[in-house]
Amino acid sequence: DVKVTQSSRYLVKRTGEKVFLECVQDMDHENMFWYRQDPGLGLRLIYFSYDVKMKEKGDIPEGYSVSREKKERFSLILESASTNQTSMYLCASSSGQGNTGELFFGEGSRLTVL
Amino acid sequence: DAKTTQPPSMDCAEGRAANLPCNHSTISGNEYVYWYRQIHSQGPQYIIHGLKNNETNEMASLIITEDRKSSTLILPHATLRDTAVYYCIVRVATSTDKLIFGTGTRLQVFP
Repeated sequence: DVKVTQSSRYLVKRTGEKVFLECVQDMDHENMFWYRQDPGLGLRLIYFSYDVKMKEKGDIPEGYSVSREKKERFSLILESASTNQTSMYLCASSSGQGNTGELFFGEGSRLTVL
Repeated sequence: DAKTTQPPSMDCAEGRAANLPCNHSTISGNEYVYWYRQIHSQGPQYIIHGLKNNETNEMASLIITEDRKSSTLILPHATLRDTAVYYCIVRVATSTDKLIFGTGTRLQVFP
């Protein structure tokens, strides 16, 4: 079975803390994505990467950074967490072959910032 | 911004067909229509996609109008496990495979 694994399902952090959200996929996919999901707003794209060490800003990159040192791993970093970053974070991956690839999502990481 | 419009919620009786509409009037000629669903507390799951022809797989059927400005996802025999939020997405045709999600339709299947 194909798999996208997010390191933590639930995290609670304090304002100002640095937060790492890890995502690993075992499908040898080129593309990886980080979304956040909030009630009434749907899924919003934070960052994506289509190759190792490459990254592109999505629609809401402010307050976030990412790291893609290996093909299978895509990390989302909150340098100084704030309460408005309390959200569900979803990682996804897709093959880079052609334009019809589907996205495979992880189970999500629910972050609460106090 | 999402390029699709969906009703916020729908109900369907178990065993009946669920028909979920989606408007995408500004779709470009090389953009696909994708459908995903998200069951509570899980990540979204791919269902089906199409360009201009109708498509069918083991989960659902996708009907795209001839002018491609709207589509309908059909779950032929809805079950309670089909209760979920369904997202209709128009895919930007770039190599980065970027998908823009809207707020979707919450489908409630009742016994």
